[in-house]
Amino acid sequence: SQTIHQWPATLVQPVGSPLSLECTVEGTSNPNLYWYRQAAGRGLQLLFYSVGIGQISSEVPQNLSASRPQDRQFILSSKKLLLSDSGFYLCAWSGQSNQPQHFGDGTRLSIL
Amino acid sequence: KQEVTQIPAALSVPEGENLVLNCSFTDSAIYNLQWFRQDPGKGLTSLLLIQSSQREQTSGRLNASLDKSSGRSTLYIAASQPGDSATYLCAVGGFYGQNFVFGPGTRLSVLP
Repeated sequence: SQTIHQWPATLVQPVGSPLSLECTVEGTSNPNLYWYRQAAGRGLQLLFYSVGIGQISSEVPQNLSASRPQDRQFILSSKKLLLSDSGFYLCAWSGQSNQPQHFGDGTRLSIL
Repeated sequence: KQEVTQIPAALSVPEGENLVLNCSFTDSAIYNLQWFRQDPGKGLTSLLLIQSSQREQTSGRLNASLDKSSGRSTLYIAASQPGDSATYLCAVGGFYGQNFVFGPGTRLSVLP
């Protein structure tokens, strides 16, 4: 069966520090991969999605970036974190585009 | 630009009641629609996925309907239980279902 892993589960970082969140999927090949952010009191916002290695689409301009170095690995990064980057970051995958999305357990990021 | 709303924002019902959660979207040119539940501090669990060509999907006590022309979907929960307490989110998939837009969610409390 397919599983999705996100780490770390929680992270506290100072303003201006770099960020790297990792997401991996097991049990499937060539998945669509997604990064979302859920800010306090707000809905889920799609940040990036990828349909293949090296193919990244950005939905919202920001100081975050995403990379897909391997088929089942999706990384969310920042060179310098802002206070507004605080939130709950969720990774998701789906098979073909008409199949449901499945989410990881999320990373709660707090910026101090 | 697709916008998704959910009514009500919060709902509290006694155990055993049947209930309906509503989801509305502004652009009827959708690829699919997915319902999720989210427990506090956790990731999302997929409940039902309805393709744009379908009118409803059922899973156990859950039934989701889709009326694309009116831009609405409903999630019906039969015989509610305390374990159903969670936030329920609907998400509308656009082009090939890749760029999901989420609603703000309905927070459901089922009282024993």
